[in-house]
Amino acid sequence: QSVLTQPPSASGTPGQRVTISCSGSSSNVGSQTVNWYQQLPGMAPKLLMYSNDQRPSGVPDRISGSKSGTSASLAISGLQSEDEADYYCAAWDDSLNNWVFGGGTKLTVL
Amino acid sequence: EVQLVESGGGLVQPGGSLRLSCAASGFTFSSYWMSWVRQAPGKGLEWVANIKQDGSEKNHVDSVKGRFTISRDNAKNSLFLQMNSLRAEDTAVYYCARDHPMGSAWGQGTLVTVSS
Repeated sequence: QSVLTQPPSASGTPGQRVTISCSGSSSNVGSQTVNWYQQLPGMAPKLLMYSNDQRPSGVPDRISGSKSGTSASLAISGLQSEDEADYYCAAWDDSLNNWVFGGGTKLTVL
Repeated sequence: EVQLVESGGGLVQPGGSLRLSCAASGFTFSSYWMSWVRQAPGKGLEWVANIKQDGSEKNHVDSVKGRFTISRDNAKNSLFLQMNSLRAEDTAVYYCARDHPMGSAWGQGTLVTVSS
C-alpha cells in the first residue's frame, strides 16, 4: 500500500486532456512539493514535473502540474500516443524522513 | 551529457549480500544528494535511500534499515549500496538517481534477484 494515492489507470483519446490525481497527507504533499515521473514501458523513469508545477527542460508545456492542500494533479492536454506510460507522483515525508511514491497510474491512449 | 551507470546486480540467495555501484559522469557529482530507488517486477517505484553531498547525512527507508547502507566516493564519482541479509522481497531493479530535484537523472537500473 503506497503512502500517496493515485488512480491505477486513466485513459483518453488523442487530442483529449487527462488529469491524474495524487493524494497524500499533511506530512508529505501538504507540507512538501510534489514531483511527477513518467516511465515508458521497459525504460527508466524520467522526471516530468518538480516543485509541483515546474517543467524540466524538454518537457512540453502541454503538460502541467498543480497542488492544493494535500492533493496534487498532473494534467496532459493534446494527448498523444507517445504519452502512453506509467506516471508516478512523489514527495518527501517529514514524519517518515524519506521520499514516498504513489502507486502509479497507467495511462492508456485509446 | 549526464550519465549514471549501475552495476553489481545479480542472483543471490536469501541471507546473502551484494554491493551495487553507480558511476556518475557529465555533472559535478560532489554537488548533489544522490538516491537509490527500486522497482519490484511489475510493481511501482520505491525510494530506498539517499545521501548528502559529503556523505555526512543518510536516510534509509524503514524496510531496509539495518540491512542496507548507502555510501559514496566523490573522488571516484561513485555511489554505492551495500545490501546485507537480503530477502526475497528485495528482488527488484535498483536505480541510482540524482537529486535536486529527486530523480532529475536516472541510470538504466541493475536487477537484483534474491532466490534459492
